[in-house]
Amino acid sequence: DAGVIQSPRHEVTEMGQEVTLRCKPISGHDYLFWYRQTMMRGLELLIYFNNNVPIDDSGMPEDRFSAKMPNASFSTLKIQPSEPRDSAVYFCASSLERNTEAFFGQGTRLTVV
Amino acid sequence: GIQVEQSPPDLILQEGANSTLRCNFSDSVNNLQWFHQNPWGQLINLFYIPSGTKQNGRLSATTVATERYSLLYISSSQTTDSGVYFCAVAVGSNYQLIWGAGTKLIIKP
Repeated sequence: DAGVIQSPRHEVTEMGQEVTLRCKPISGHDYLFWYRQTMMRGLELLIYFNNNVPIDDSGMPEDRFSAKMPNASFSTLKIQPSEPRDSAVYFCASSLERNTEAFFGQGTRLTVV
Repeated sequence: GIQVEQSPPDLILQEGANSTLRCNFSDSVNNLQWFHQNPWGQLINLFYIPSGTKQNGRLSATTVATERYSLLYISSSQTTDSGVYFCAVAVGSNYQLIWGAGTKLIIKP
């Protein structure tokens, strides 16, 4: 397996624009996680899915953020409208079961100007 | 909630040196992972080690769950070992990984 695949690797957008980040988890993994990493706050869990169903989105900072998982091999994280304070590295991770080893994608570095 | 403390916060070594990184946690855990975040930002899995000892090449890790700590050993350091090493744990039925602040390692040639 190629591991967790995220796209794009880098995204630069203007304030107010919609941004969509994409993730393909490892095949067969039932859990998918979206994290955000900033210098100030470190790694924060935004939302996680189990079998394509969102289980806990309490980490999503605002209504501007939304995430979907239409099938077992694809998830999106959308920010609309984007703001400069959303600039961060966004990671997607997947695991076979809830408390088993989590594997991370290469991340998407988002810059909102 | 559980506290995860890593030490030292920073470590500068010459190539070839050995190092020990420590992760202390304040509660029993059922998941503990060590990651290396390289200078390009990638998070690389090193060990999944809620208890016991594992080795992978020049790296090894030991978790003593009863005493609530884990150690990561790096032997014969190389410049490519530079980066930040994170310890992350989960407790009970909680799915969420709780992260330490990391140890920033710089290996000088």
